[in-house]
Order: sequence, then structure tokens, then C-alpha cells
Amino acid sequence: DTEVTQTPKHLVMGMTNKKSLKCEQHMGHRAMYWYKQKAKKPPELMFVYSYEKLSINESVPSRFSPECPNSSLLNLHLHALQPEDSALYLCASSRDGTSSYEQYFGPGTRLTVT
Amino acid sequence: RKEVEQDPGPFNVPEGATVAFNCTYSNSASQSFFWYRQDCRKEPKLLMSVYSSGNEDGRFTAQLNRASQYISLLIRDSKLSDSATYLCVVPLSGSARQLTFGSGTQLTVLP
Repeated sequence: DTEVTQTPKHLVMGMTNKKSLKCEQHMGHRAMYWYKQKAKKPPELMFVYSYEKLSINESVPSRFSPECPNSSLLNLHLHALQPEDSALYLCASSRDGTSSYEQYFGPGTRLTVT
Repeated sequence: RKEVEQDPGPFNVPEGATVAFNCTYSNSASQSFFWYRQDCRKEPKLLMSVYSSGNEDGRFTAQLNRASQYISLLIRDSKLSDSATYLCVVPLSGSARQLTFGSGTQLTVLP
């Protein structure tokens, strides 16, 4: 069973709404990630937090705003999204922010923007 | 050359068959490699990590060929539950922090 949890599992929002996705891990990992995955495509990296600091932002539009309140929690704040932002949003964590270690994924939030 | 290339399949095999997937990568400095499986509408789950020449876990064997820059995943005695998409994942060239995912190989095990 995954030790990375995400809420909500499903989210439907309008283009003028503000919502947040939440992620939590209890493995003592010091790196956390947000990925976006469209159907039949591999996950695409959005953000990396390493030791609670944003270390990578893959040129993600400002309508996506990440936040890392502490080493166990990661949020993704959404505002003024577009229909093309509809996707599965995956959170992952790893021991640290290097590419040497495995990443463990949460079950994802399936987002639909109407 | 793409960072990671996989044969997309689909591979349709009968139960009990042996099936192998290959994955080529461009980052010659990579020291770690991963295979994930992803079921339809679910998250990727780590199947196997490869840090040296290979790794074996039950019916699953991963082999690494650094000279030719490919890794393979062999599944023996296929089960219906092995049906999934298998993702090859390697570190991104020039980055110590990012992994890059292959596009995945779809496997269906038939009764």
C-alpha cells in the first residue's frame, strides 16, 4: 500500500474557482514532487521540493502554485485553470532530491476543469 | 536521441509466457534505473530498482547493459495480474534531481 496520500481523489472545478490539492507522506522523505499526467502519456514533472525548498519549477504557469508547509506535506493551489489542465495530478516523495533514489507515488487527484 | 525510449507495444501474451521489454537511454552518466508498473487510471508503482548490472525479484529480472545503454525487464510465467503499462525511468541528462519517464510499454496477459 502507498504511504503517500493525496486528497481529494477527484475534483471538478470551474475556470474561476480556487481549489487546493493536498499530499502527505510519512516515510521521512525530504523531497516531494508534483507531476501531471495526461491519458496514455508518462508523468510530466511540475515541481520539486527538496528539504522544504522549491528546487525545480518546470516552467509551470502561475495558475499552479505549490506550497510545502513542512517536510511531510505538499499542497498545490489551483486558480483560474483552463480545460486543458484536466489531468491526473500525482504527488511523489523520495529520500532526498537527487535522482539516485526511488520515487513513491500517491494515488493521484483526477482533476476536471469545466 | 530521446532521453528514454521504449517499445510502446502492445504486447499480448498468453498466461505462463515469458516476455521481455527493452528500454534505451541517452544519459551515459546514469547510475540508477527504475521500472514502474502503472495500471489503468492508477498511480505508477515501483517494480524494481537497478543500480548495478541487474536485479531479480521472483518472476521479474532487470538487466542493465551500460555499453549499449539499455535496460531490459524480463517477466517469467506471466500472470493475468501482470497486465499493465511498464515505465522505464532514468535520471535526466544534466540533472542530479530529475527522473525522466519512458512512454511506457503496454502488456496484456491473456487467459
